[in-house]
Amino acid sequence: EPEVTQTPSHQVTQMGQEVILRCVPISNHLYFYWYRQILGQKVEFLVSFYNNEISEKSEIFDDQFSVERPDGSNFTLKIRSTKLEDSAMYFCASSEEFGGAGELFFGEGSRLTVL
Amino acid sequence: GESVGLHLPTLSVQEGDNSIINCAYSNSASDYFIWYKQESGKGPQFIIDIRSNMDKRQGQRVTVLLNKTVKHLSLQIAATQPGDSAVYFCAEINNQGGKLIFGQGTELSVKP
Repeated sequence: EPEVTQTPSHQVTQMGQEVILRCVPISNHLYFYWYRQILGQKVEFLVSFYNNEISEKSEIFDDQFSVERPDGSNFTLKIRSTKLEDSAMYFCASSEEFGGAGELFFGEGSRLTVL
Repeated sequence: GESVGLHLPTLSVQEGDNSIINCAYSNSASDYFIWYKQESGKGPQFIIDIRSNMDKRQGQRVTVLLNKTVKHLSLQIAATQPGDSAVYFCAEINNQGGKLIFGQGTELSVKP
């Protein structure tokens, strides 16, 4: 069964450092997303991406965040200068169609710990 | 503003019993409602969805009910098993975009 894969599974970084989280979406999917989940809280939307540009972003997704699809397979989330409050689980997701409720597949997440 | 929330943070049931997990939403413009299951250390996993023009949908051992009058969504799990133990999130998609808005989550514990 096709799946979304994410690396690293866990990253520990110092405050102020840059972090890149990587995702390989399902190959025939066209829409890509990043969500995050602070420990014990609900999953929050960060950004959606289609046709090599951001479709929508939340208030959380400020200038410190960026996304990129550098080579047609990977989908990356970069945090330029991490803050303590960026510590969370970051989930990548992909879908074949826009707003595809049932077809939104999530990866297993990358846990980011900022010290 | 729009919000999706859950009534109870935890639910404990006996193996074999039926479980009912509830969710309240406030955005009447939402087109889709979805239930996700999240096991410890894993990403959300799709369980079942329902369109806003339906009031009931059944899957394998699961049923989702949508009451638009009171903006209430519920997930019923029949014959709950230990493998059903997880956090369950409701989520909605509004008509303007593809982003999911998640509720707070209910942790389901199944006692053997």
